Amino acid sequence: GAVVSQHPSRVICKSGTSVKIECRSLDFQATTMFWYRQFPKQSLMLMATSNEGSKATYEQGVEKDKFLINHASLTLSTLTVTSAHPEDSSFYICSAPVSYNEQFFGPGTRLTVL
Amino acid sequence: TQLLEQSPQFLSIQEGENLTVYCNSSSVFSSLQWYRQEPGEGPVLLVTVVTGGEVKKLKRLTFQFGDARKDSSLHITAAQPGDTGLYLCAGARATDSWGKLQFGAGTQVVVTP
Repeated sequence: GAVVSQHPSRVICKSGTSVKIECRSLDFQATTMFWYRQFPKQSLMLMATSNEGSKATYEQGVEKDKFLINHASLTLSTLTVTSAHPEDSSFYICSAPVSYNEQFFGPGTRLTVL
Repeated sequence: TQLLEQSPQFLSIQEGENLTVYCNSSSVFSSLQWYRQEPGEGPVLLVTVVTGGEVKKLKRLTFQFGDARKDSSLHITAAQPGDTGLYLCAGARATDSWGKLQFGAGTQVVVTP
């Protein structure tokens, strides 16, 4: 299957700092990527749709100024958590669709804000 | 409110037992997918079903798509400890943007030796 990578896998930062998470499609091009947030033992919550060459589409209730998304190329999308606070601590996962109904997921990034 | 209702939320069984996880909706889906996720990792696609009434088998796992394409089930025969994980159903609707999936709340399965 298609491979999606994420970097870093874990990050610990101080409150008030910004953190950038990268999502790459390694063997295919992705004009669209999705960013999810997941709390322990819960399902995925879609945060936004990243679109190459245009603005990201955010889900209701997600602050676009706090979670900045940049789809720099056909293989790279980045999520920047700005001025992170402890409540932003979570597991962030990206995915890239290979068809209208199949997505391949990255391994996730564990963010801990102290 | 979750568009896809998954049940049960949690399932703990002994090795060798069978289990079934259900995914139901009032909406019609053009396809349904099942994923398994282990702690600290991303979900891994198990199967995609696209035709109403379709049944797919993957070794000890059997997946079914309802005739009306509103529901699906995952059945595991003779469960093994390696089947432990969070099982997620996800569906694609014709009205959603390309590639977007609706996810169920997940079923945590624990298989003890």
